[in-house]
Amino acid sequence: GQQVMQIPQYQHVQEGEDFTTYCNSSTTLSNIQWYKQRPGGHPVFLIQLVKSGEVKKQKRLTFQFGEAKKNSSLHITATQTTDVGTYFCAGPDAGNNRKLIWGLGTSLAVNP
Amino acid sequence: NAGVTQTPKFRILKIGQSMTLQCAQDMNHNYMYWYRQDPGMGLKLIYYSVGAGITDKGEVPNGYNVSRSTTEDFPLRLELAAPSQTSVYFCASSSRVRQGPNQPQHFGDGTRLSIL
Repeated sequence: GQQVMQIPQYQHVQEGEDFTTYCNSSTTLSNIQWYKQRPGGHPVFLIQLVKSGEVKKQKRLTFQFGEAKKNSSLHITATQTTDVGTYFCAGPDAGNNRKLIWGLGTSLAVNP
Repeated sequence: NAGVTQTPKFRILKIGQSMTLQCAQDMNHNYMYWYRQDPGMGLKLIYYSVGAGITDKGEVPNGYNVSRSTTEDFPLRLELAAPSQTSVYFCASSSRVRQGPNQPQHFGDGTRLSIL
């Protein structure tokens, strides 16, 4: 079945270092969404990418959607302790776009 | 707006007991979802609904039931609670897809459920 894979599963960085998480889909996606979940919290929508090769920025966060629309990445420049949490990517189910197929997430820890 | 409201926030059940997790949204969203999240894991879809009176199974529906009598409310029923149902349960909603990409999901704060 359709799968969305994320790597790495965990990442520890020193505050100020950069961080990247990668999302790979087994199928071509019409769009991809990114969410952040703080420890003990709920997932919060960050951004949606729709176009092939699209790049969007939110302050220190840069999101990319691959040319083939099968992969995506989230890059954080100069991490801060407020970036701690788990980052999930999700794409629509190819057979039913009312549902999302979720990656397992990348957990980011930032040492001050 | 309150967004998506879940109650209760915490609950401990004994094996075999039943309970209903409540979820309400005030954004007039057609789509609503129930997920469970086990420690350190991702989200697994239990049930979803695309409108009042319409529900469908997700990937892990066994042991659960849902109903959607109104646009606002989407309760999740656990019958005969089992230890394997210990988890954090999230309710989410999104607006209907007319054309273009599916819409972002808005999550409630979750219900932390332990079955002992």
